[in-house]
Amino acid sequence: LAKTTQPISMDSYEGQEVNITCSHNNIATNDYITWYQQFPSQGPRFIIQGYKTKVTNEVASLFIPADRKSSTLSLPRVSLSDTAVYYCLVGAVSNYQLIWGAGTKLIIKP
Amino acid sequence: KAGVTQTPRYLIKTRGQQVTLSCSPISGHRSVSWYQQTPGQGLQFLFEYFSETQRNKGNFPGRFSGRQFSNSRSEMNVSTLELGDSALYLCASGLGGGSSTGELFFGEGSRLTVL
Repeated sequence: LAKTTQPISMDSYEGQEVNITCSHNNIATNDYITWYQQFPSQGPRFIIQGYKTKVTNEVASLFIPADRKSSTLSLPRVSLSDTAVYYCLVGAVSNYQLIWGAGTKLIIKP
Repeated sequence: KAGVTQTPRYLIKTRGQQVTLSCSPISGHRSVSWYQQTPGQGLQFLFEYFSETQRNKGNFPGRFSGRQFSNSRSEMNVSTLELGDSALYLCASGLGGGSSTGELFFGEGSRLTVL
């Protein structure tokens, strides 16, 4: 059963690139990796999803190495509004289990 | 396309009472999952329903229960409320399979306060 581990907190500055890594050592072959963003008192919001290698959309990139034991969410040129909690999720296709990380609190400073 | 709707948004109960929360998923979504989130804490998975069947369950006591109706709407119930049940309860909907596993759409949550 996959377990996800991510840093509790990180901080950075406006305009920097931020990388948040999630470890998922026991990920199964068909499992997908998804990242969410959550602001206080709101439900999490989908950022990006991937299976292997690299996925990019208009807000982020997701890097997944060949062994898939970790994944890295990359946020380019962050702004103050990117201050939020970021969750890593492993979705187990075989039994539909959803394994959530504990969340990384990202603080962006001016 | 309407998003996930949770009702009520806020409610106050006293210890020993019970509460029922409702979640209407996005049209076409058959999976509904529920989460408890206390201040400063992450998402604690309660249970997931797919086509009216509970497919997965987290580690919560039996006081927490749920169900899903044929139209995919879901309810969760907490009986014999305790102070520690005060939390934001989030519902998420999804298509529920294959590559969509993990692609979830969350509601704004129901904030429960137990006095």
